[in-house]
Amino acid sequence: EIVLTQSPGTLSLSPGERATLSCRASQSVSSSYLAWYQQKPGQAPRLLIYGASSRATGIPDRFSGSGSGTDFTLTISRLEPEDFAVYYCQQYGSSPTFGQGTKVEIK
Amino acid sequence: QLQLQESGPGLVKPSETLSLTCTVSGGSISSSSYYWGWIRQPPGKGLEWIGSIYYSGSTYYNPSLKSRVTISVDTSKNQFSLKLSSVTAADTAVYYCARPMEAAAGTGGFYFDYWGQGTLVTVSS
Repeated sequence: EIVLTQSPGTLSLSPGERATLSCRASQSVSSSYLAWYQQKPGQAPRLLIYGASSRATGIPDRFSGSGSGTDFTLTISRLEPEDFAVYYCQQYGSSPTFGQGTKVEIK
Repeated sequence: QLQLQESGPGLVKPSETLSLTCTVSGGSISSSSYYWGWIRQPPGKGLEWIGSIYYSGSTYYNPSLKSRVTISVDTSKNQFSLKLSSVTAADTAVYYCARPMEAAAGTGGFYFDYWGQGTLVTVSS
């Protein structure tokens, strides 16, 4: 099983700032099969990024993903009020596993 | 627009079997070559993939749950279902149905592009 470790656990930022979230895998993720999700309280997760860097349908271009191998990053270029949420990474190069999440909170 | 909706009991007794159904609307389960799946999230915790089923019936399960999980599909009702046996308090979670997208044929690796709203199942006597 591939274990994903996300950092930091909590990110305190102000609207308009840049957010950088990290996801590190315990072994290489084949073919960059890495996805990112956003989850708000009481809601289901929403797919943001797949294939490490491809935005899902309808996702604003302030969200971008990068990385390969064992190190991946989600960047939100300028935080909007609706972006404060929990973000999860997920690998799907093998049996799917999720990271523990990073909470982006208003500073 | 594809929509998924979970249904089933919100309370299950320890040692019994948890049963949930996901109804798909806005598309046919069998008209496209898609998988259908289940994911859960214990209160205040992270996400765990349970398993995925192809419209024809072939399945992939999380190895840690495989001995207790059965996922089936009913194309006539446009539904798929989850059964989790011998439940304990550790199985208390919000259960989501979702549409998995397979990384490559036969890999068993999926990401999830459509999700139901989720249903809380509590295991308690």
